Amino acid sequence: NAGVTQTPKFQVLKTGQSMTLQCAQDMNHNSMYWYRQDPGMGLRLIYYSASEGTTDKGEVPNGYNVSRLNKREFSLRLESAAPSQTSVYFCASSIGGGQPQHFGDGTRLSIL
Amino acid sequence: QKEVEQDPGPLSVPEGAIVSLNCTYSNSAFQYFMWYRQYSRKGPELLMYTYSSGNKEDGRFTAQVDKSSKYISLFIRDSQPSDSATYLCAMSAGSSASKIIFGSGTRLSIRP
Repeated sequence: NAGVTQTPKFQVLKTGQSMTLQCAQDMNHNSMYWYRQDPGMGLRLIYYSASEGTTDKGEVPNGYNVSRLNKREFSLRLESAAPSQTSVYFCASSIGGGQPQHFGDGTRLSIL
Repeated sequence: QKEVEQDPGPLSVPEGAIVSLNCTYSNSAFQYFMWYRQYSRKGPELLMYTYSSGNKEDGRFTAQVDKSSKYISLFIRDSQPSDSATYLCAMSAGSSASKIIFGSGTRLSIRP
């Protein structure tokens, strides 16, 4: 049972490049989330999906887009990467819409 | 001033000691409180979840909420080297994950 799987684990981009972070969960959870974690700032919610077919903005959505492809998969896209988006990105899931229960191991993204 | 304050540590204690980890908050509307454990280069994992005031115990872990003082604590009894991790507090006024505010984490080290 893999839980929440994120790919890639590491990525280096140049300013202006685009990329998609992938996330998949195998626990049949309804809700999925994308967070970023920066030193001294705690986890901040970028986007979330309460159920298949719905997405909503979190605290820091600017510069990002998401797609809830199906119940298992929730992707995060950076259309034009900026150095301020250098961070560790975590995907999470939960059965309902409450607190995130299971996290992936993160994608470490560096933008030069 | 941050809504949720957490001493970053590091906190170093000998094996077997009782550990006390704390967070303070400013929003009196918070009523859902969580503690997450995060090992190095891993995603957070949900440890404890409490609603409103009072204590909750799970094995060696006890979560305590004092709403009058806007203060929450996580106690770890009989601490083990495997408890060495960063501990994040989180809280929200409503049940939706979109409203959760995370602390920046306290790094804990248990010395054998």
